[in-house]
Amino acid sequence: QVQLQESGPGLVKPSETLSLTCTVSGGSISGFYWSWIRQSPGKGLEWVGYIYDNGDSNYTPSLKGRVSTSVDSSKNQLSLTLNSVTAADTAVYYCARGGRHVIAGPLESWGQGILVTVS
Amino acid sequence: SYVLTQSPSLSVAPGQTATISCGGNSLSTKNVHWYQQRPGQAPILVVYDDSRRPSGTPDRFFGSNSVNTATLTISRVEAGDEATYYCQVWDATTDHFVFGFGTEVTVL
Repeated sequence: QVQLQESGPGLVKPSETLSLTCTVSGGSISGFYWSWIRQSPGKGLEWVGYIYDNGDSNYTPSLKGRVSTSVDSSKNQLSLTLNSVTAADTAVYYCARGGRHVIAGPLESWGQGILVTVS
Repeated sequence: SYVLTQSPSLSVAPGQTATISCGGNSLSTKNVHWYQQRPGQAPILVVYDDSRRPSGTPDRFFGSNSVNTATLTISRVEAGDEATYYCQVWDATTDHFVFGFGTEVTVL
């Protein structure tokens, strides 16, 4: 059973850069679509972006220009970077494994999430 | 951008049936997935590809998708089903993932 674990600083200052890592265990990164999703306090789920193991990626329009993702297959890790953060970026950030070779597949495995506060 | 609409909340008595709707333009042309999120926990997948259940999802959970509405039906509702349920699709036109706004289910 694949397991995902987000890690990174829980507190980031406004205008600085948020950097998170998702470590995947019990399975390979290869062949899957990987998504980042966030949830502001008391709000719903917001898709942030996806990345495939070949580096193909896309992001939600509201964050485009500030967000990027990468994959390190040698470490079985994903990373998320969000620049110029504001209080509106305060949220629980989740990584999730999507479909195998199929972008429309479900987000079948999720990390426990990490709360990042911008203050 | 593609939008999925859900009713904000519904209440249901134990043993009764909860019906959660998700609306979107030509939704039947897309694969709809449903997630359950209990308070303070990460979401978990309960139904995928409109009507398929992952191992571990009780057969009380039933999904369907027709024209512009996908539905998640939970029969014989239990206290443990109390959660917020989100529908989700991938929109090929924009290459974006889209979540519904979520429906909070309260078990009376």
